Amino acid sequence: DPKIIQKPKYLVAVTGSEKILICEQYLGHNAMYWYRQSAKKPLEFMFSYSYQKLMDNQTASSRFQPQSSKKNHLDLQITALKPDDSATYFCASSQERLGNYEQYFGPGTRLTVL
Amino acid sequence: AQSVTQPDARVTVSEGASLQLRCKYSSSGTPYLFWYVQYPRQGLQLLLKYYSGDPVVQGVNGFEAEFSKSNSSFHLRKASVHWSDSAVYFCVLSDAPRFGAGTKLSVKP
Repeated sequence: DPKIIQKPKYLVAVTGSEKILICEQYLGHNAMYWYRQSAKKPLEFMFSYSYQKLMDNQTASSRFQPQSSKKNHLDLQITALKPDDSATYFCASSQERLGNYEQYFGPGTRLTVL
Repeated sequence: AQSVTQPDARVTVSEGASLQLRCKYSSSGTPYLFWYVQYPRQGLQLLLKYYSGDPVVQGVNGFEAEFSKSNSSFHLRKASVHWSDSAVYFCVLSDAPRFGAGTKLSVKP
């Protein structure tokens, strides 16, 4: 069974629209993360949450808003979508936020903005 | 500032040859370092990690890495690569966390 679920696997959106990327982890971890990977940029750290609280935010744009409704959920809301937002978005989790704790990655959501 | 640098964007080796992928880090304290691998169209998987003790750590699939505090490095090695090792490899510093830009490894048959 998959330990980290990301939904949907593929997503196509129009410029200016809003989408929510879903992430659920069933590893009992306390920390969760979002990353972005595109052809233009390598793997880019976006956010980290620990015990449902935002700890790190590397994303400059307020159009990206993480949402944690449950301990094992960390969704990513993206508003006013732009073509440059096209990328694969990976969710990850670890037992704790820092230290020698391995991160487990989800399969990713591939977002295309037309 | 904490950072990770992978100086080689692409590396090509022949099957059966040895491999070294370079990683340099900058950290104010004791670093926790990882190597992850990303196979095509997949998420990242852990290869190995280091946080203390023996500077040479063993990972999965015959990979190992050597930590050097004096050189601020954490290079990844493999004695004999296989075509299935073709992937992108990321060096990671646990703080924040910080990912290197990745090295794309291509193994020629």
